[in-house]
Formats: sequence, C-alpha cells, structure tokens
Amino acid sequence: EVQLVESGGGIIRPGGSLRLSCAASGFTFDAYGMSWVRQAPGKGLEWVSDIDWNGGNIDYAVSLKGRFTISRDNAKNSLYLQMRSLRAEDTALYYCARVGGYCSGSRCLYYFDSWGRGTLVTVSS
Amino acid sequence: EIVLTQSPGTLSLSPGERATLSCTASQSVSGRYLAWYQQKPGQAPRLLIYDASNRATGIPDRFSGSGGWTDYTLTISRLEPEDFAVYYCQQYATSPRTFGQGTKVEIK
Repeated sequence: EVQLVESGGGIIRPGGSLRLSCAASGFTFDAYGMSWVRQAPGKGLEWVSDIDWNGGNIDYAVSLKGRFTISRDNAKNSLYLQMRSLRAEDTALYYCARVGGYCSGSRCLYYFDSWGRGTLVTVSS
Repeated sequence: EIVLTQSPGTLSLSPGERATLSCTASQSVSGRYLAWYQQKPGQAPRLLIYDASNRATGIPDRFSGSGGWTDYTLTISRLEPEDFAVYYCQQYATSPRTFGQGTKVEIK
C-alpha cells in the first residue's frame, strides 16, 4: 500500500522559512516522480512543484519560483520542500503526491495518483 | 496558463440519480491530458480518472470520464451515499498544471 506522510508544517512568521518533508513507503520511490500540491483553508487545489525520479526535471508554479525549492533523497525515500520568504498567502495544507504519467524530454505530463494527508503551514505574525 | 472552469458550482441530487459534472478549458488540452479527483471533508483528494477517460485503480465503474479539446465531463451513473463530495478536474498537458475550482455534489 502506498503511504505518504508529510511533516514539518507549523506556524511561521511572515518572511520566515520552513522545510517540509514527505516520507514514502509501499512502492519503489525512485521509480516515480513526486509533487507538492497545496490547499488554502476552504479553497481549491493549487499545484506547487514537481520533480522527476532523479531530479533531472523540476518544475514550479510561476508565482513560487525562487522562493520554494523541491528536492528528493531516494536513499531515504523522502521528498522535501524548502520554503523561504513565506507570506500570509502561503498559508495552506501542503500535500505530498506521487505522480502518474511520464516525462518526454523536459516535458512532464503528470497527474497525481496517490496523496498524503497533508501538513498545515500557517504564516502569521 | 490553461484555466479550467467547472460547472455547476454545486449539484444537489438524491442517491441513485445520475450526476454530470463539466470542466471547460480556456484552450484545448492536448492529448486529453485531464484528470478528475474526489475530495471528501477532512480527507486528501483521490484520483478517479486520468487521460480524460481512464479509471484509476479501484475506482467503481459508475464513474466515467469523457470529452476532448476544451470540454470534459465526469459522470456518476448512480449516486451512492459515499459519492457526495467535491470534485476537481486538473489538466497536465502544459505547465503550470492547473485545477478547476471544484464542483460540490450535495444530497438534495
């Protein structure tokens, strides 16, 4: 059974940094791309970033590029999201997701076939 | 960026009825690279459909997806009590990957 467990969320002041982690189990982690998707309280889903199996293809939502960095450690079956210069509008439940689909060159066609339960990030003074 | 617009915003139906949810893209979604998700309160989303019409593993056959170009549909043939939830469409033909705003299917 695929299991994705996020951690690292919490309350952080505007301008601060936070690193989210996602521990994966139940599948061959280094065979899959991975992604972060967030959901602000009471709102819809927003794609944040994804990374292919070995980190060769990385993509970000345009509004987040430069502040957020996705990475993975295949030896530890773990996915990470480093978030910097946090703003109130970054307040959300952050989901780790395994991707389905594939990459063709630098173009990755990803949907999200398994999801963790999320970790809540609250940016507030 | 491809903008996805879902309609209606809320669908009020009774168990056993048929639900038809629409997702309209601001431009053609190449390859029919469109997925549908279900989300219940307090839970993570669950993948239902990918590539517009392929059911994900373990999804009952009362769920079906159809469409192409800019217009896509999720149909639930006979609503079961556990189907009352919010449904999102998502395109993955281009970056950024985008979601619709959701359709809530509620009990009438």
